[in-house]
Amino acid sequence: GQNIDQPTEMTATEGAIVQINCTYQTSGFNGLFWYQQHAGEAPTFLSYNVLDGLEEKGRFSSFLSRSKGYSYLLLKELQMKDSASYLCAVRDDSNYQLIWGAGTKLIIKP
Amino acid sequence: EPEVTQTPSHQVTQMGQEVILRCVPISNHLYFYWYRQILGQKVEFLVSFYNNEISEKSEIFDDQFSVERPDGSNFTLKIRSTKLEDSAMYFCASGAGSSYNEQFFGPGTRLTVL
Repeated sequence: GQNIDQPTEMTATEGAIVQINCTYQTSGFNGLFWYQQHAGEAPTFLSYNVLDGLEEKGRFSSFLSRSKGYSYLLLKELQMKDSASYLCAVRDDSNYQLIWGAGTKLIIKP
Repeated sequence: EPEVTQTPSHQVTQMGQEVILRCVPISNHLYFYWYRQILGQKVEFLVSFYNNEISEKSEIFDDQFSVERPDGSNFTLKIRSTKLEDSAMYFCASGAGSSYNEQFFGPGTRLTVL
């Protein structure tokens, strides 16, 4: 079956670093995405990994290990506006369909 | 900056009624998608659309659902006979390519079935 696991909720302090993990078991693999979703809003794209390694984009980085079925999203210099849900999504053998995790709700405290 | 738009932002309907949710994708995009998210639950893929036909659909996308691109700009999702469990946020997304990394999401339509 298709399964994507992420922690339900995490708490971090403003200015700190947080790592959100995602593990997946899918029938195939054709890319992993991280999206940010503020409550009541649409998901917005953060990152895409299809090869092993680290992709860095400003304060956000995403890592992928295909052999382990594992990814993480690293957020540095946390700001209050980073309080949101972070969604891990995997594209399997298809070119189109994304399989979504339930999301990790990140709470930032001053 | 170009964006995906959706109308209406909120639709309330009676069970058994037909609804049409509308989306205007980004103008040079070729791939279109509908997702839904039941309150508090994960995002679920419904359907993808390319070259005027459905390219993939999920188990959720049964005979009650249909999609259409009636003109060069709109992309619609029709639910023929709504059920209570269809209540959800429906997101439209578009992308420049099937393997291209990013799908751009619209703001969503909140559908409430009474």
